[in-house]
Amino acid sequence: AQKITQTQPGMFVQEKEAVTLDCTYDTSDPSYGLFWYKQPSSGEMIFLIYQGSYDQQNATEGRYSLNFQKARKSANLVISASQLGDSAMYFCAMREGPRYSGAGSYQLTFGKGTKLSVIP
Amino acid sequence: DSGVTQTPKHLITATGQRVTLRCSPRSGDLSVYWYQQSLDQGLQFLIQYYNGEERAKGNILERFSAQQFPDLHSELNLSSLELGDSALYFCASSVGEGESAGNTIYFGEGSWLTVV
Repeated sequence: AQKITQTQPGMFVQEKEAVTLDCTYDTSDPSYGLFWYKQPSSGEMIFLIYQGSYDQQNATEGRYSLNFQKARKSANLVISASQLGDSAMYFCAMREGPRYSGAGSYQLTFGKGTKLSVIP
Repeated sequence: DSGVTQTPKHLITATGQRVTLRCSPRSGDLSVYWYQQSLDQGLQFLIQYYNGEERAKGNILERFSAQQFPDLHSELNLSSLELGDSALYFCASSVGEGESAGNTIYFGEGSWLTVV
């Protein structure tokens, strides 16, 4: 089974509107972390936001917020007030395992991504 | 700027050849991860090093190897290259342990490898 599922291969949003990118995950580990990354056409992978499984509040970073619904195993990214520069691929990723395991291995499992296009 | 530096940014080489990709992690980060991004496989974890020692292995081919040096930079060696090895190779780094370990993982800009 896929550990990270992004069901929207492509999305369009009007400039200045908000958009939600979907991500569902599958893990039996009680301790995990969820990440969103942005990959513009130039190729670099830009860290946007992180949510830990034990975090009580949804993560926010500027115009990015993560709608974390633990029971539904979803971690949707919300981008408010979309800008033309937001056009990119967006990847959801998961790290399984405790944060405080000493020198742990925090490898990420990625979804297939969603291509977001912002329309002027 | 993530603080993770990768060189070279672009590389074109022939089948059967060997290349070395280099990564300098963010200052203070002890863990280095290598990922491969290809059109058919997506983003895949290859290998992780922590403070010079191999920590975890993913879908890394036997033709590929890596190491992390005392100054914490890492190199990914790809040998007997095949057309299918053409991909974007990322290095990522994290603190490795402590409170922020595992919640801040930054990627470099990647090394584009084209095998012809």
